[in-house]
Amino acid sequence: GAVVSQHPSRVICKSGTSVKIECRSLDFQATTMFWYRQFPKQSLMLMATSNEGSKATYEQGVEKDKFLINHASLTLSTLTVTSAHPEDSSFYICSATGKGQGLPYNEQFFGPGTRLTVL
Amino acid sequence: AQSVTQLDSHVSVSEGTPVLLRCNYSSSYSPSLFWYVQHPNKGLQLLLKYTSAATLVKGINGFEAEFKKSETSFHLTKPSAHMSDAAEYFCVVSDNYGQNFVFGPGTRLSVLP
Repeated sequence: GAVVSQHPSRVICKSGTSVKIECRSLDFQATTMFWYRQFPKQSLMLMATSNEGSKATYEQGVEKDKFLINHASLTLSTLTVTSAHPEDSSFYICSATGKGQGLPYNEQFFGPGTRLTVL
Repeated sequence: AQSVTQLDSHVSVSEGTPVLLRCNYSSSYSPSLFWYVQHPNKGLQLLLKYTSAATLVKGINGFEAEFKKSETSFHLTKPSAHMSDAAEYFCVVSDNYGQNFVFGPGTRLSVLP
């Protein structure tokens, strides 16, 4: 139980295009989803936290218009990198927590990550 | 506010010898603590967690960690390293509301043959 998927696992795009990454909780309802960015040999950096049906809360320094997050349902959150540039190349990881479903409310379940390369 | 310190950015051990990865935390309330492992280009896998129950926590793959409140530590240990343990390890502290998680900088574990 408590499986989170991400799609795509890898994406290569041209500079200036937009890329959408999906994060799905497969067997539970995700009340909160988190989006992280990870540069090589570094820790995870929290980009934003989103609760279903409400606007995402972005961390300081993360551009809201650049990284659009939509948490439209209890099983799906999307991250859209708009007008991507080479400096946006990174490993993006989502996670989710679920409440009231026999899940520990304070444990994150992580997706496998998406490797974005912008040419 | 919460914070996590992982004192060693890189630890190198020989196969079959003990592993110790150190983690110290700061939290203004009773925290939950986690250790995750990440292999190259992969997501995070939960090794073990402490959530105010037993202070000695046993996890997967022979890992365990002990919560020491007086030392604000949650060090990860394993009696005998295996080559497959070579990876990045993250210590994470969270509040008890499932909203605020803070990652440590990570420790890269190398296992020498």
